Amino acid sequence: QVTLKESGPGILQPSQTLSLTCTFSGFSLSTYGMGVGWIRQPSGKGLEWLANIWWDDDKYYNPSLKNRLTISKDTSNNQAFLKITNVDTADTATYYCARIAAEQLGDYWGQGVMVTVSS
Amino acid sequence: DIQMTQSPSFLSASVGERVTLSCKASQNINKYLDWYQQKLGEAPKLLIYNTNNLHTGIPSRFSGSGSGTDYTLTISSLQPEDVATYFCLQRNSWPTFGSGTKLEIK
Repeated sequence: QVTLKESGPGILQPSQTLSLTCTFSGFSLSTYGMGVGWIRQPSGKGLEWLANIWWDDDKYYNPSLKNRLTISKDTSNNQAFLKITNVDTADTATYYCARIAAEQLGDYWGQGVMVTVSS
Repeated sequence: DIQMTQSPSFLSASVGERVTLSCKASQNINKYLDWYQQKLGEAPKLLIYNTNNLHTGIPSRFSGSGSGTDYTLTISSLQPEDVATYFCLQRNSWPTFGSGTKLEIK
């Protein structure tokens, strides 16, 4: 059974760095072809794919946010991480992590974690 | 960036009705098109990948088709539990979502 769960700070101030953790079970990020992606959704709005990390530690970023994003993983503890630097109110959103397996970009998703950027 | 345009943005239909949702890409996406269903307060759920492949556990009333820039999601017989917002996602290049179609029961 594949599960993912996101965790984060809840609220942070403009210019700070947002650190998110995705803790998963039911698959391994050391398995060939597996990956984890991060996606966000401002309240009542659409979805934006942020970053992907693969079993071989390949990393890919949304071109419009690339300079602010860092994705990483801890394979032994079944976790993936995303950092976003220099946040502002536009980064307020629900952040999701999702499994990537073969041709299925997001076949399982976490429940999401709400992040608010406010002074 | 490949832009994805979904239509209509809102759809109201009756139970049992056949429903078709559309997604148009700004350039050829080579059938790298997925459909997601998002119910209120929940995470998106994968329905269809690569245009017409049903994800595990998805009812057969859902189907997808298309090629080039134009893609459709069809629900053959609308059920009350299908009330949701439906998003398309292209992954021919960096993944981008459409803005969604909100589906309600008439």
